Amino acid sequence: GAGVSQSPSNKVTEKGKDVELRCDPISGHTALYWYRQSLGQGLEFLIYFQGNSAPDKSGLPSDRFSAERTGGSVSTLTIQRTQQEDSAVYLCASSARLGNNEQFFGPGTRLTVL
Amino acid sequence: GNSVTQMEGPVTLSEEAFLTINCTYTATGYPSLFWYVQYPGEGLQLLLKATKADDKGSNKGFEATYRKETTSFHLEKGSVQVSDSAVYFCALSLRANAGGTSYGKLTFGQGTILTVHP
Repeated sequence: GAGVSQSPSNKVTEKGKDVELRCDPISGHTALYWYRQSLGQGLEFLIYFQGNSAPDKSGLPSDRFSAERTGGSVSTLTIQRTQQEDSAVYLCASSARLGNNEQFFGPGTRLTVL
Repeated sequence: GNSVTQMEGPVTLSEEAFLTINCTYTATGYPSLFWYVQYPGEGLQLLLKATKADDKGSNKGFEATYRKETTSFHLEKGSVQVSDSAVYFCALSLRANAGGTSYGKLTFGQGTILTVHP
């Protein structure tokens, strides 16, 4: 069956522009997570969703970052006024439900801010 | 705060050598512990997990034991193969209580690059 998919796979943008990153979780998975992987910071948690609500947004680095999830499925991570330090691989994961269930990761979106 | 510390890499071994990658953690509450692996060109995937003290997780010849007394979850394999070359991440997630489900979000270590030569 289909795994977690993310689009685009690569995104190059200019400093100051807005970007949207998309995640399609595994069908039926109620929990969805966003992480960021960068050279300096390693793998960092950003936000997670249970259904369409986000109980924990504590990892979002600044108010330029936001995320939403609609229909309990697709999620979009938006970065406004991008900065060079936003350059990283953005990973999405989903699990059947919140808890000890395995998180299945997507291939990531590599964002480069020039 | 909660954190995971892994041994510095990269680690380079010959095929059939014994592997240990150290992982220690600090956490408030009741952590579940995980090892994730990222093969070249692929996404992160769960390798093994343990949800309570003294549990041993195992998969593909890899093992790790949840040691509460030393707050450790070291990854071991008796005989590595070239195909084990990858980046390995130790991670934790917290549970509200000893028997509860976890909050879900993972806190990762910095990753250890393993290269196995024939």
